[in-house]
Amino acid sequence: DTGVSQNPRHKITKRGQNVTFRCDPISEHNRLYWYRQTLGQGPEFLTYFQNEAQLEKSRLLSDRFSAERPKGSFSTLEIQRTEQGDSAMYLCASRDGQGQYEQYFGPGTRLTVT
Amino acid sequence: EDQVTQSPEALRLQEGESSSLNCSYTVSGLRGLFWYRQDPGKGPEFLFTLYSAGEEKEKERLKATLTKKESFLHITAPKPEDSATYLCAVQAGNDYKLSFGAGTTVTVRA
Repeated sequence: DTGVSQNPRHKITKRGQNVTFRCDPISEHNRLYWYRQTLGQGPEFLTYFQNEAQLEKSRLLSDRFSAERPKGSFSTLEIQRTEQGDSAMYLCASRDGQGQYEQYFGPGTRLTVT
Repeated sequence: EDQVTQSPEALRLQEGESSSLNCSYTVSGLRGLFWYRQDPGKGPEFLFTLYSAGEEKEKERLKATLTKKESFLHITAPKPEDSATYLCAVQAGNDYKLSFGAGTTVTVRA
């Protein structure tokens, strides 16, 4: 069990550019979540996958955001036409489909839009 | 909508000075209440899950308790390495996501 991994760890981009983040969940976990966290706040839910199906999206997820989880393994989160307000830590979490509900988080990707 | 409020926002403790953090919540049908620890620049690290009022969990110097309206995280005889932000989150019975509070930042001085 190597834990949840995320790449890159840091991304600096200019306003208007597109960025893509990757998340590799714990290998036996079929449920995957994306959250966004800004300074001084707790994580806010963005979207949820069960296997390859995207089952829920937050109102925070504007049409510039898209997430995929092909084949129910790793997931990508893409932000198109980035804005300064997108600067945040993007966190990925996973959990298994059994009785325990705790989610295990990755180290996050810190996005800075200049 | 689920609401989670944590207090205080910040807590400065002397090494060995025990204290408690509060997490008040409003949720439609609690499935679970979760405590996480977060170090600067890192992702949250899972600590405890509490499922029903009266339940308690312990890990080293930390003890979490749950009532129908709030949860407490007790830190007994803290050490400087306990310095972190402690996050509380709830999951409603009909929901997938965790709803987080803003956290309590604990600083323990040697």
